[in-house]
Amino acid sequence: QKEVEQNSGPLSVPEGAIASLNCTYSDRGSQSFFWYRQYSGKSPELIMSIYSNGDKEDGRFTAQLNKASQYVSLLIRDSQPSDSATYLCAVISNSGNTPLVFGKGTRLSVIA
Amino acid sequence: KAGVTQTPRYLIKTRGQQVTLSCSPISGHRSVSWYQQTPGQGLQFLFEYFSETQRNKGNFPGRFSGRQFSNSRSEMNVSTLELGDSALYLCASSMTGNDGYTFGSGTRLTVV
Repeated sequence: QKEVEQNSGPLSVPEGAIASLNCTYSDRGSQSFFWYRQYSGKSPELIMSIYSNGDKEDGRFTAQLNKASQYVSLLIRDSQPSDSATYLCAVISNSGNTPLVFGKGTRLSVIA
Repeated sequence: KAGVTQTPRYLIKTRGQQVTLSCSPISGHRSVSWYQQTPGQGLQFLFEYFSETQRNKGNFPGRFSGRQFSNSRSEMNVSTLELGDSALYLCASSMTGNDGYTFGSGTRLTVV
């Protein structure tokens, strides 16, 4: 059973701070990692993808991957109230054709 | 570029009925996946289709079925509806199934 674990939160950070969201996964064969943002009542939106160890930056977002520790994280710099949402970590294992498996998400609240 | 289109957006059915949901993927995307989202369980994988073939299937009863047509459009069917089938059903498409998925707006199914 391939699993993706996230702290459900809520994670509360003040406006302008760095929000750090974490995710661990059980399948060591996992190769593709994604972060989705989901606003209440909306569908998930892809915000970051990462495929190799290290950091990947896109604007205020940085994804970090450590395959040895089976750990992926998302940093949001200069957090804004509009960043308040649920953030979903998702993983694909390339050991055979496998689906995109989601964690249950971390609810982030940015306080103005 | 048109996104993923799901119809209908909302549906109310009674127990025992059956329902068909439709999904049109982004043009050029050959992989279509379906997910059920409920507050307690998060995003649960139903099945994935690629080039008209079911490539992966989640742990749902046989009442849940799907198919994909030659134009990549997909449908999912739920027969003998139960109250517990009330959920947001999300369709997502990708080019290969190993890259980032784009979600549709979902179909909110309520079973009464």
